[in-house]
Amino acid sequence: TQLLEQSPQFLSIQEGENLTVYCNSSSVFSSLQWYRQEPGEGPVLLVTVVTGGEVKKLKRLTFQFGDARKDSSLHITAAQPGDTGLYLCAGVSFGQGGKLIFGQGTELSVKP
Amino acid sequence: GAVVSQHPSWVICKSGTSVKIECRSLDFQATTMFWYRQFPKQSLMLMATSNEGSKATYEQGVEKDKFLINHASLTLSTLTVTSAHPEDSSFYICSARDWGLPSYEQYFGPGTRLTVT
Repeated sequence: TQLLEQSPQFLSIQEGENLTVYCNSSSVFSSLQWYRQEPGEGPVLLVTVVTGGEVKKLKRLTFQFGDARKDSSLHITAAQPGDTGLYLCAGVSFGQGGKLIFGQGTELSVKP
Repeated sequence: GAVVSQHPSWVICKSGTSVKIECRSLDFQATTMFWYRQFPKQSLMLMATSNEGSKATYEQGVEKDKFLINHASLTLSTLTVTSAHPEDSSFYICSARDWGLPSYEQYFGPGTRLTVT
């Protein structure tokens, strides 16, 4: 069974601080996605990384895909209260018809 | 971007009854749809994968006779929770993808909150 270990599961920080969320696996993924989810809503795609070593930036968010395509990280610079939410990483395995393997999620709370 | 809708957005039903949840792709043909279940403060758990015109593939531990999935058209999949019990109360989310697109391109619905009393 493929697993994607996401950490930390809970994070409470002050506005302006930086943070990093990690997703690690022993399996190789064809791609990895990061989502953000608000309570009572479906996940919203933030980014997809496909190439090993790839780095993508989305304003204050930086996403990295490991060289071996087994791990990824999300770094948020100068967090704001609006960043509060559940962050989910999800990997797509080769030959699985697009089935996503989700990490456990990181509940982020940014206090003003 | 592609849009996936779910109906209803929330439903309350009595224990022992069945409830049907619809997942529709509004502007693309969804050859594959996925059904997830999510408990509060937790991640999404894949329940089953459905391909249009064929039987759904259920994940280990998911009762196929309890969670009936039908994917009869390229734009609609339904999940029926049969003989619902309070422990079936959860947030159910579907996602859809078009086979012609990269495997990572799938779009999530807004979810359906099921409460069984």
